[in-house]
Amino acid sequence: GQNIDQPTEMTATEGAIVQINCTYQTSGFNGLFWYQQHAGEAPTFLSYNVLDGLEEKGRFSSFLSRSKGYSYLLLKELQMKDSASYLCAVPQTGANNLFFGTGTRLTVIP
Amino acid sequence: NAGVTQTPKFRILKIGQSMTLQCAQDMNHNYMYWYRQDPGMGLKLIYYSVGAGITDKGEVPNGYNVSRSTTEDFPLRLELAAPSQTSVYFCASSYSGTGNQPQHFGDGTRLSIL
Repeated sequence: GQNIDQPTEMTATEGAIVQINCTYQTSGFNGLFWYQQHAGEAPTFLSYNVLDGLEEKGRFSSFLSRSKGYSYLLLKELQMKDSASYLCAVPQTGANNLFFGTGTRLTVIP
Repeated sequence: NAGVTQTPKFRILKIGQSMTLQCAQDMNHNYMYWYRQDPGMGLKLIYYSVGAGITDKGEVPNGYNVSRSTTEDFPLRLELAAPSQTSVYFCASSYSGTGNQPQHFGDGTRLSIL
């Protein structure tokens, strides 16, 4: 089966950098997704990593280490609108769907 | 471009009532999914479909039914509503079930069972 661990909550200051960690256990690794979910809204796709290393996309970057079962999402130049939950997900082994972590709720303060 | 459309957005049901949550996508995606999300919890997969006429159970299918008669539509049926089914329901679709194809989500249906 799968398991994903993420911190439940984080707080960071506007303009700062924050790193949201995700550790996972899965057999037959086939990539890792990050989604953003604002309160009361639908999740939206942020990034996908299948190879080790850092993928940069504007203010957001995602890192993967397959040997450590570890990923992080890096948010730079934090803005108030970045206050949201960030969900880590991996494809479910032997099935055509995703297994989601419970998410990290990020609060950006002035 | 509409993407994934869910109706209704909000609904209150009485215990024992039935209802269908509608989901439609216009992206010609083969794969469609139904999730529920309880407060402070992750997304739990209820049912999914890999194409018209094919459905399969997810992690929490009890109390629900689905059908997939067309590529576009994937309705979720609650037959005998129970308070434990109070949740936010999200429908999603993707081009394929694995690999680098992200899932696209609808805006959700907020359902309360009283």
